[in-house]
Amino acid sequence: TQLLEQSPQFLSIQEGENLTVYCNSSSVFSSLQWYRQEPGEGPVLLVTVVTGGEVKKLKRLTFQFGDARKDSSLHITAAQPGDTGLYLCAGARGGAGSYQLTFGKGTKLSVIP
Amino acid sequence: NAGVTQTPKFRILKIGQSMTLQCTQDMNHNYMYWYRQDPGMGLKLIYYSVGAGITDKGEVPNGYNVSRSTTEDFPLRLELAAPSQTSVYFCASSGVIGNSPLHFGNGTRLTVT
Repeated sequence: TQLLEQSPQFLSIQEGENLTVYCNSSSVFSSLQWYRQEPGEGPVLLVTVVTGGEVKKLKRLTFQFGDARKDSSLHITAAQPGDTGLYLCAGARGGAGSYQLTFGKGTKLSVIP
Repeated sequence: NAGVTQTPKFRILKIGQSMTLQCTQDMNHNYMYWYRQDPGMGLKLIYYSVGAGITDKGEVPNGYNVSRSTTEDFPLRLELAAPSQTSVYFCASSGVIGNSPLHFGNGTRLTVT
């Protein structure tokens, strides 16, 4: 069983602060996806990273895929209360479809106004 | 667009009862999945389907059954509910292309007492 370890598990910060959450594994993934989940809703895809070393930006969110494609990070600049939620990373192996996704346990972020 | 629709949103079952969780998608996706989400445990794959008439077990299939008679619908059946099946259940769908994102429904919160 492949494991995706996310850290920290919980994070509570003040509005305007910066933060980074991590997603680490001993396995190589063909791609890695980041989702955000709000209470009472299903996860929603934020980004997919595919190439080792790839960096993608989504407004104040910066996603990076490790060179060896075993880890990823999500950096949020000047966090806003709207960033509050559960952040999940999910790794895909092979090209045969997303049914081989492995999910991390998530980082629960609270941004305090 | 409706996307992925799950019903019911909430359900309380007594031990030994049975029920079907409904899931339908209107995106013409071939791949569909059922996950359960327990607090602090991330998403665990129960069953998945790569197309009508084809289903396969995921990581935690015991106590569940599925069918896929149409592209749109992927119901999950619990035959003899047990307290260990108390969880939030998410249905998702995705396209065939490798590494395509999952589109989730808003979940069914099930309590077995």
